[in-house]
Amino acid sequence: QSVLTQPPSVSAAPGQKVTISCSGSSSNIGNNFVSWYQHLPGTAPKLLIYNNNERPSGIPDRFSGSKSGTSATLGITGLQTGDEASYYCGTWDSSLTTYFFGPGTTVTVL
Amino acid sequence: EVQLVESGGGLVQPGGSLRLSCAASGFTFSGYEMDWVRQAPGKGPEWIAYMRSGGSTIYYADSVKGRFTISRDDAKNSLYLQMNSLRAEDTAVYYCTREGYGGNSDAFDLWGQGTLVTVSS
Repeated sequence: QSVLTQPPSVSAAPGQKVTISCSGSSSNIGNNFVSWYQHLPGTAPKLLIYNNNERPSGIPDRFSGSKSGTSATLGITGLQTGDEASYYCGTWDSSLTTYFFGPGTTVTVL
Repeated sequence: EVQLVESGGGLVQPGGSLRLSCAASGFTFSGYEMDWVRQAPGKGPEWIAYMRSGGSTIYYADSVKGRFTISRDDAKNSLYLQMNSLRAEDTAVYYCTREGYGGNSDAFDLWGQGTLVTVSS
């Protein structure tokens, strides 16, 4: 059972923008960095955002991250069919000394 | 090439044991914090174990604490996961991951291809 919450699904038309929220508490998001991962079936998850808002090299700037208090948000602009995937937030929980992934959000391109 | 390659998965009966290995190449393995993450069929990823570079600090998820042991051999550029008292709910693809940004980033920037562990009689 995760300590993080995400909406089960979001959708938008090609070229549009979606945002995915990730909510936690002071022991996790509030005091630790948040990462975001993209998962396509049959492959390993892929890091999209680290340190709340940093993109690894090779990740397009269509993907962005932000954090405020005990919540974080992943934004995807210029939505493409290839963005259809599950997206997970992740962060360390200092009280539980455990890393948690969120339950995941499925992005559908209409 | 920078990569992680897992091995050692397979079919095991409940109560049995397996040892997973992860071979790292293309980077200075000894300088990185490493983790094991698993993903059960149709489920999201679940973090299960962490080891600091040098091995001084280890953490486990409650779901595997007391049954699984993470270890590393920097001379062999390898990470290991000894899994004992396996249960059906341990069935998953197990990934070796690297925390590539240091400090408190806790971000898994490099993943292996995964190795499937199936616990069934």
